[in-house]
Amino acid sequence: AQRVTQPEKLLSVFKGAPVELKCNYSYSGSPELFWYVQYSRQRLQLLLRHISRESIKGFTADLNKGETSFHLKKPFAQEEDSAMYYCALRRSGNTPLVFGKGTRLSVIA
Amino acid sequence: NAGVTQTPKFRVLKTGQSMTLLCAQDMNHEYMYWYRQDPGMGLRLIHYSVGEGTTAKGEVPDGYNVSRLKKQNFLLGLESAAPSQTSVYFCASTDSGYNEQFFGPGTRLTVL
Repeated sequence: AQRVTQPEKLLSVFKGAPVELKCNYSYSGSPELFWYVQYSRQRLQLLLRHISRESIKGFTADLNKGETSFHLKKPFAQEEDSAMYYCALRRSGNTPLVFGKGTRLSVIA
Repeated sequence: NAGVTQTPKFRVLKTGQSMTLLCAQDMNHEYMYWYRQDPGMGLRLIHYSVGEGTTAKGEVPDGYNVSRLKKQNFLLGLESAAPSQTSVYFCASTDSGYNEQFFGPGTRLTVL
């Protein structure tokens, strides 16, 4: 069965410092990977997906199939980045997402 | 265009009571999902639907039932609520299993 692991429940960084939120997955096929974000008192929303290869709000994530990782990175954290971040996986095909347990990012001024 | 809406926003139940949570979407999406969000557990899929009249079990379906009689609505029922069902419930929809899921604002349920 597929699984998504986010090893950090809470990550605190200072404003302007680099951020890396870790995500590892277990799945033998070719998955699709996503990052969703939930700001305080807001609904979950898609941040980025690996097939888009975009940079959203300064965040990037690269799928590393060898290490089965999809870490989320930003070179300079901002206070407005404070939120709950969820990594999610979808098996190839039309199947539901599997979410990790989430990492709460706190950016300290 | 309201997107995905959920009713009610908050609810307190006593053990053994029943209730239905309503999810509605106005985007003509085929796929709809119910998740529960618990501290330290992330989002776990309860049930989902790939089209009107269809439902399927997710990761944690026990104690819940669902119905998708109309394409735009996805109902989640608790027949006999238990304290373990205290959680925040999120509904989501997408036009295809391949695309972005759009989430509702959540329903905070407390079972005493």
